[in-house]
Order: sequence, then structure tokens, then C-alpha cells
Amino acid sequence: DAGITQSPRHKVTETGTPVTLRCHQTENHRYMYWYRQDPGHGLRLIHYSYGVKDTDKGEVSDGYSVSRSKTEDFLLTLESATSSQTSVYFCAISESASGESSTDTQYFGPGTRLTVL
Amino acid sequence: SQKIEQNSEALNIQEGKTATLTCNYTNYSPAYLQWYRQDPGRGPVFLLLIRENEKEKRKERLKVTFDTTLKQSLFHITASQPADSATYLCARGGTALIFGKGTTLSVSS
Repeated sequence: DAGITQSPRHKVTETGTPVTLRCHQTENHRYMYWYRQDPGHGLRLIHYSYGVKDTDKGEVSDGYSVSRSKTEDFLLTLESATSSQTSVYFCAISESASGESSTDTQYFGPGTRLTVL
Repeated sequence: SQKIEQNSEALNIQEGKTATLTCNYTNYSPAYLQWYRQDPGRGPVFLLLIRENEKEKRKERLKVTFDTTLKQSLFHITASQPADSATYLCARGGTALIFGKGTTLSVSS
């Protein structure tokens, strides 16, 4: 998985509790992404980062926040988890995000399965 | 809105046949399209990238075409094998990749 780890790999939590997922890379890539994947919806972008402390929202950002204090780490926080946030979460990295370059290719982590009861 | 669509959710073929998967895009002219493979319980893995000025690209038994007139990319797997069974995702570039929902290919022996 191209030097990308996600932790935890599985988590069960209760509605209303805060949850933080961690993505760690060893590739020194500038861009990092958080996606969720749900049946019938495919991969949907939550937030992404284009550098340390530089982040932006994706398609489904409501209820999620992110932080990136180091190049290698990108954290996704659910401030108050809801059952609708039960999903598989994938982290991805890329060298660029120009829309024109082959270095836009993304490399994905193994995923975190989150269940909110 | 800019969309990327994979029309078939599932495709079932017999071993040895050629699988053809379709990716269509609307309201956008991507400079390239990417194809990924995803196995159950794992993250997507990059397979091929094709640029708008490339009509066709090959990698072993894989072939991708890009038709800017039809706004479509076709992904072919020749001499398919049961090990090719997976979900295949099409993606277009931009600030971040936008993925189609994927087509799940099942190859039976």
C-alpha cells in the first residue's frame, strides 16, 4: 500500500462520541486525501490537504474536520459521530493535483471500517 | 454539474473472453482519465492513465481508449481470468480526483 498506513483499521463507537482516524505516509507526498466509500455512492472526497496546515473541503465535508501538522500525518475527526457516518474511510496520497499530470495518481491506504451505533 | 459515470454496476463474463467496461463524463473535458482496481476489503490500486491526446494505451492484457468526441473511455481486459474479478473505478483529474461508482467484474471459470 505504497507506504501508507491507517489507524485504527476497525472501530466501533457510539453516537455522539468523538472519533479520530489517522493516516500516516512515508512517501513525502504533498497531497493527502480522506474519502469515504459507501454502497451505491462509490468513493466520495471528504477533505484534502495540499501541504502542512493547508486543507480544503471535499464533496461530503459536513460533520468532519481535518488537521495536518506534519507532512506525513493527516487526521480526520468526527466531532460527534452519527450513524450516517458508518462507512469505510480511505486515505490517499499523491505528488500533485494539477488535473493534467501523471503525478496526480493517487495511492490508497488499506482503509478504516467505522461503525457508529 | 461535472459528472463521471460508469454505467454498469456489474459485469459477468466467462474466462478467456474480453471484458469491456465503460466510463462516461459530462460537462467537463478532462486532460486525462485514470483507471483503478479495487479488491474487496482493500484500497483502490492505480492501473492506467490515458491522456486526452492518446487514443489508446496498453499494459499487458489491459487496454484503455479515450474518445473525446463520445466523451467516453473504454477499459478492456483481454483473455480474462478469475483473478481479474474485482471492482474497476474510473477517475478524472482536477483539484482532486473524482471517481465513478465503479463496475464490479466477475469472471467465471
